[in-house]
Amino acid sequence: SQQGEEDPQALSIQEGENATMNCSYKTSINNLQWYRQNSGRGLVHLILIRSNEREKHSGRLRVTLDTSKKSSSLLITASRAADTASYFCAMSQGAQKLVFGQGTRLTINP
Amino acid sequence: DVKVTQSSRYLVKRTGEKVFLECVQDMDHENMFWYRQDPGLGLRLIYFSYDVKMKEKGDIPEGYSVSREKKERFSLILESASTNQTSMYLCASRARSLGNLASYEQYFGPGTRLTVT
Repeated sequence: SQQGEEDPQALSIQEGENATMNCSYKTSINNLQWYRQNSGRGLVHLILIRSNEREKHSGRLRVTLDTSKKSSSLLITASRAADTASYFCAMSQGAQKLVFGQGTRLTINP
Repeated sequence: DVKVTQSSRYLVKRTGEKVFLECVQDMDHENMFWYRQDPGLGLRLIYFSYDVKMKEKGDIPEGYSVSREKKERFSLILESASTNQTSMYLCASRARSLGNLASYEQYFGPGTRLTVT
């Protein structure tokens, strides 16, 4: 099975700045999803982008998908302290399973 | 709101004990999943179930079994706990997909942090 590679593994920025996280994968996908995990908690779904879409927005989130490069990025604009969390990309593998990347740990400094 | 609950937030067990982790969802979802999460390794799928009494192995099923007797409940069983099963265990559920173009989001429980000593 494939696994996503996320970059960077950790990111620390000042409140108000933009945060960009990248995800690369190895084989064809149906869709790609991004999840957030606050420390010691379960994951929360943020956004889904289908393989025939190139960009998607949701509030302060912007996701891009480049299927030719097998990569996706998540941009969080105007970051807030509450955005401090780990962020995971997840690739839809068939109709049932998701394969998760290793995550990016984002810290927003006040 | 979808709610996925897990029976314990923290659990400490001894090597060789039989361990049951319970997961319940209240949205009538067909699909349920068990993952373990370890630092540097992300989430890895242990088992999933796409219907009552149906189960399929994920990427790391060794040392685990599952039970799905009712649609809302999916149990993970460690037959004989070992120290290398110390981990965070996450349960998730999801509605049935309507073909490959509609793979819906997964809803996660809060996790069970299991320590095997």
